Amino acid sequence: AQSVTQLGSHVSVSEGALVLLRCNYSSSVPPYLFWYVQYPNQGLQLLLKYTSAATLVKGINGFEAEFKKSETSFHLTKPSAHMSDAAEYFCAVLIGNMLTFGGGTRLMVKP
Amino acid sequence: SQTIHQWPATLVQPVGSPLSLECTVEGTSNPNLYWYRQAAGRGLQLLFYSVGIGQISSEVPQNLSASRPQDRQFILSSKKLLLSDSGFYLCAWSPGQGYSPLHFGNGTRLTVT
Repeated sequence: AQSVTQLGSHVSVSEGALVLLRCNYSSSVPPYLFWYVQYPNQGLQLLLKYTSAATLVKGINGFEAEFKKSETSFHLTKPSAHMSDAAEYFCAVLIGNMLTFGGGTRLMVKP
Repeated sequence: SQTIHQWPATLVQPVGSPLSLECTVEGTSNPNLYWYRQAAGRGLQLLFYSVGIGQISSEVPQNLSASRPQDRQFILSSKKLLLSDSGFYLCAWSPGQGYSPLHFGNGTRLTVT
């Protein structure tokens, strides 16, 4: 069965600092991986997706993620954090019709 | 373009009362439809998904049920709410074929008192 683990339920960075949100997956078949962002009391918005093409995926709002098969990882990064990046971020793996989410990481950005 | 509508945005209901949350999708045909619940500190839990009219799969046993009376309509219901049903309910859709991400509605905040 597939699963997703996000290390760190809370991450705090200073404005302008590097953002690194970790995601590791477990899948018996080649995975399709996604990162979503959720602002308070809103639905989930797709940030980026990996669907077995380029291993480095660029998304919206300056975020990108790199698929590393050897490490079974799909970490999300952004070179310079903005205050507006404060939100909850979810990594997810899609197998067939089923999307399984990690537990989420709340990103806090300090001025 | 495709859009997903979910309502109401917020709902406060007493224990033991019924529940009906509705979700509709526009601009696509035969979508896969999903209901997720997000409880405090518990991440996103898949409750139901549907690949077609009248086809509902339940992922967890609970006090809730789902129905799909029309191709682009998905309803989440309960006959008698429990306190533990409180949470943030999210409807989502994806194309019926291929590996595509899910697209989410804006959610319903349900508080059972």
